[in-house]
Amino acid sequence: DAKTTQPNSMESNEEEPVHLPCNHSTISGTDYIHWYRQLPSQGPEYVIHGLTSNVNNRMASLAIAEDRKSSTLILHRATLRDAAVYYCILYIYNFNKFYFGSGTKLNVKP
Amino acid sequence: DTEVTQTPKHLVMGMTNKKSLKCEQHMGHRAMYWYKQKAKKPPELMFVYSYEKLSINESVPSRFSPECPNSSLLNLHLHALQPEDSALYLCASSQGLAGAANEQFFGPGTRLTVL
Repeated sequence: DAKTTQPNSMESNEEEPVHLPCNHSTISGTDYIHWYRQLPSQGPEYVIHGLTSNVNNRMASLAIAEDRKSSTLILHRATLRDAAVYYCILYIYNFNKFYFGSGTKLNVKP
Repeated sequence: DTEVTQTPKHLVMGMTNKKSLKCEQHMGHRAMYWYKQKAKKPPELMFVYSYEKLSINESVPSRFSPECPNSSLLNLHLHALQPEDSALYLCASSQGLAGAANEQFFGPGTRLTVL
């Protein structure tokens, strides 16, 4: 029972913005949206998280739809080092657990 | 030091062997996790320890036995594994139980092959 759905793969050109979408239609009011990425041969690393409002940090921005049923991770200028699998994850407050989506493999072309 | 270390990096074992995976962090985190990741799949949670006590066991078979000897160390003891248990085993830690505000820090994983 997938809590989040993501495209399997996306492609971007270097130095251009990338918008990675995620649907989470069953989200409840206390559930947080997290994004992690996994580079080849590494463990996942934190990117960003949010609840209702859009969020920015040094790595990325997170845009959350008004109804919270979808969100978009924005990488403002993709670099070759951003090539990774990006996981959209719901933290379900009532179960105190993370539910990973299947991930989007991002390919960045020079 | 914001690193989670895991040893060994690679492990090959037979179905009758007993082996252990080790995970260590020195960030003062009080929650630690084991995940299993099959190729081209997302990580699946196995166990959660909070303040050195087992908090969550995701119905993992008893051939996997976790242990948290102290707040910096997490072990996963393996016995009588099956070939389908071959996977990348990831350890993670967080300041408290990962949730609204607690970022999880992952180690690089142990690549396990069961023959």
